[in-house]
Amino acid sequence: GAVVSQHPSRVICKSGTSVKIECRSLDFQATTMFWYRQFPKQSLMLMATSNEGSKATYEQGVEKDKFLINHASLTLSTLTVTSAHPEDSSFYICSASYRMGYYEQYFGPGTRLTVT
Amino acid sequence: QKEVEQNSGPLSVPEGAIASLNCTYSDRGSQSFFWYRQYSGKSPELIMFIYSNGDKEDGRFTAQLNKASQYVSLLIRDSQPSDSATYLCAVTASGSRLTFGEGTQLTVNP
Repeated sequence: GAVVSQHPSRVICKSGTSVKIECRSLDFQATTMFWYRQFPKQSLMLMATSNEGSKATYEQGVEKDKFLINHASLTLSTLTVTSAHPEDSSFYICSASYRMGYYEQYFGPGTRLTVT
Repeated sequence: QKEVEQNSGPLSVPEGAIASLNCTYSDRGSQSFFWYRQYSGKSPELIMFIYSNGDKEDGRFTAQLNKASQYVSLLIRDSQPSDSATYLCAVTASGSRLTFGEGTQLTVNP
């Protein structure tokens, strides 16, 4: 149980274009979903937290107009990187939490974004 | 002071030995504690969580929590080469936000 999927697993896009990444909880309803970014040899950096039906809460320093998050249902959240630049190239990972009060997070397999 | 600190590593142990990974946290109000394993190029995988003082065992893994000392550890018994990975300690205080340590890289030598 507690399986989270992400799509696509890898994406290459040109500078200035937008990319959408999907995160789905496959066998549970996720009360909260999270988006992280990880650069090589660094730890995970939380970008934003989203609850179904409400606006995402962004971490300090993360541009909400550049990283659009939509949490349309209890099983789906999307991250759109708008007007991507080479410095946005990174490993983007979502996670989902379903046990109220305990907060274990289960991670998706990640999406490797390369902006050329 | 970092909110969550781990041995920087890398940690190298022979196959079959016990690997000991340590983590301290600064927020005394922290309530939930997690260990994730991350293989190179992959996303983190939850391997243990612990909420109460004491030990929690799951197969070859034992998590130990001491809230008075603000310390949580992970022991891996009978270490295998497949255990070679980066181990991330994560903590929640209030709410669902996880705070991660920098991770400890473990290598198990055959």
